Amino acid sequence: DVQLVESGGGLVQPGGSLRLSCVVSGFNLEGYFMNWVRQVPGKGLMWVSRIDRFGTGVTYTDSVRGRFTTSRDNAKNALYLQMDSLREEDTAIYYCVRGLTIDHWGQGTLVTVSS
Amino acid sequence: QAVVTQEPSLTVSPGGTVTLTCDSNTGSVTSGHYPYWFQQKPGQAPRTLIYDTSNRYSWSPARFSGSLLGGTATLTLSGAQPEDEADYYCLLFLSDVPVFGGGTRLTVL
Repeated sequence: DVQLVESGGGLVQPGGSLRLSCVVSGFNLEGYFMNWVRQVPGKGLMWVSRIDRFGTGVTYTDSVRGRFTTSRDNAKNALYLQMDSLREEDTAIYYCVRGLTIDHWGQGTLVTVSS
Repeated sequence: QAVVTQEPSLTVSPGGTVTLTCDSNTGSVTSGHYPYWFQQKPGQAPRTLIYDTSNRYSWSPARFSGSLLGGTATLTLSGAQPEDEADYYCLLFLSDVPVFGGGTRLTVL
């Protein structure tokens, strides 16, 4: 079975940093683009970032570009989201999502930015 | 800034049919926007129902169908079941950037 498991969420102060991880199983990570999508609790979905199969091409939504960095380690079956200069408006559940076909989702990890 | 618009809420009777729509402020929605539809139930992660306008995954119930109609992407639910009560989100690729709609809360009542 395809599984994506996010971790690393938690409470952080504005201006702080956090690194999210997504460990996958049940498929070969190297074969897929990967995405990060976030959702403010009780609100809608927002695409955050996409990384190509080997990590050489990454795109971001405007509101996180320059603050967030997406990377991957295919040998470790892992995707990462380094979040710096965090703002209160970055508070959300962060989902790891497989592929250009956006077919499988992790269960999400909650990031809370608050003083 | 590109905005994708959905009905905030809809209600359907059990066994009934309902159509959800997905529009873009950049113009008509076409197959080149690769419309997607997602279902999210309370406390759960989203689940992808439809990709590339009308294609279902193996886990997508056959009562859900996607199409394009008059420059709008649509998701039609035929024969609504109580378990279909959920939030539904569409997604369009606008200039290669994935943009979600605001979501439709579907009530089966």
